[in-house]
Amino acid sequence: EPEVTQTPSHQVTQMGQEVILRCVPISNHLYFYWYRQILGQKVEFLVSFYNNEISEKSEIFDDQFSVERPDGSNFTLKIRSTKLEDSAMYFCASRDSDTQYFGPGTRLTVL
Amino acid sequence: QQQVKQSPQSLIVQKGGISIINCAYENTAFDYFPWYQQFPGKGPALLIAIRPDVSEKKEGRFTISFNKSAKQFSLHIMDSQPGDSATYFCAASIRLNTDKLIFGTGTRLQVFP
Repeated sequence: EPEVTQTPSHQVTQMGQEVILRCVPISNHLYFYWYRQILGQKVEFLVSFYNNEISEKSEIFDDQFSVERPDGSNFTLKIRSTKLEDSAMYFCASRDSDTQYFGPGTRLTVL
Repeated sequence: QQQVKQSPQSLIVQKGGISIINCAYENTAFDYFPWYQQFPGKGPALLIAIRPDVSEKKEGRFTISFNKSAKQFSLHIMDSQPGDSATYFCAASIRLNTDKLIFGTGTRLQVFP
């Protein structure tokens, strides 16, 4: 069964450093998303992406964040200058007609 | 108005019992209501979903009940099993938009043998 994959599974970085989180969505999906989940809290929408551009972004997705689909398979989330409060699980998702399928997540720890 | 309220925060059920988790929303534009199951260290996985044109949907031991007038929907897990122990999130979206999922706060379900 096709699945969304994410790398790395865990990323530890120093405050102020740039991180890139990578996702490979399900191959025939056209809609892509990033969500985050701070430990013990609910899953929060960050950004949606369709047709090579951002469809919608949340208030969390400020100028420090960017997304890119550099080739036909990868979908990346970049955080330019990480803050302590960026520590969370980051989930990538892709959608077919109805369902958003989530990847296993990247745990980002900012020290 | 974009919030989805979920209760209870945690739930303990004996094996074989019924688990019931409730959600409520305000935005009447929501037209897709999925439930996701999440095990520790894993991503959310779709369990079952409903659209507001039906009042109930059943898949195996899992049933969604939907009350459009009350703007509430609930998940019922029949014959709960220890393997059902996980965190459950309700969500809502507007499919004609970007259909970002607005998640509830989650319910941690523990099923004891």
